[in-house]
Amino acid sequence: KQEVTQIPAALSVPEGENLVLNCSFTDSAIYNLQWFRQDPGKGLTSLLLIQSSQREQTSGRLNASLDKSSGRSTLYIAASQPGDSATYLCAVRPWSGNTGKLIFGQGTTLQVKP
Amino acid sequence: EPEVTQTPSHQVTQMGQEVILRCVPISNHLYFYWYRQILGQKVEFLVSFYNNEISEKSEIFDDQFSVERPDGSNFTLKIRSTKLEDSAMYFCASRVQTGNTEAFFGQGTRLTVV
Repeated sequence: KQEVTQIPAALSVPEGENLVLNCSFTDSAIYNLQWFRQDPGKGLTSLLLIQSSQREQTSGRLNASLDKSSGRSTLYIAASQPGDSATYLCAVRPWSGNTGKLIFGQGTTLQVKP
Repeated sequence: EPEVTQTPSHQVTQMGQEVILRCVPISNHLYFYWYRQILGQKVEFLVSFYNNEISEKSEIFDDQFSVERPDGSNFTLKIRSTKLEDSAMYFCASRVQTGNTEAFFGQGTRLTVV
């Protein structure tokens, strides 16, 4: 059974720092991996989708990497800003089945201090 | 920009009552989902829906739950007899196909069962 884990659970950094959020999954048979942002009490905003055949995907100050064989993904945030404060979730789409369901990690709550 | 819309944003109901959560997926999307997030826990998959039928459901999605696409735009989740443990944020999501496409989530409905 696929399990997704995110470390650390919480992170506090000063503004301007570069940071890395980690996501690991137990079954390497994935179709893709998606990173989301969740603001308190709000919905999920898609940040990046990285296909199983890709190693990296970039959007602005965000860069996601994927090492499928080792079951790991990282989300790199460059030059962090207070507006980046949120919970970041990773989710994998299992290879098996064709429904497109996602399995989520528990998230990393990021606080960027001015 | 197209978005998934959920109503209501917050619903309070008494234990044993029926509730219907409503979603309007993005118009050209074909695959629809419900997820839930109990406070402080992971986002969990409930059900996927395609071509007017359930394509996959989790063990959480028991006989108390049902989904329907009553017309060309709405997608609903019904809970027949709510329990205290049904209190959670419920998210609707959609994707255009099950290939390497992003899942887009709504803002969620916070269900409180008292």
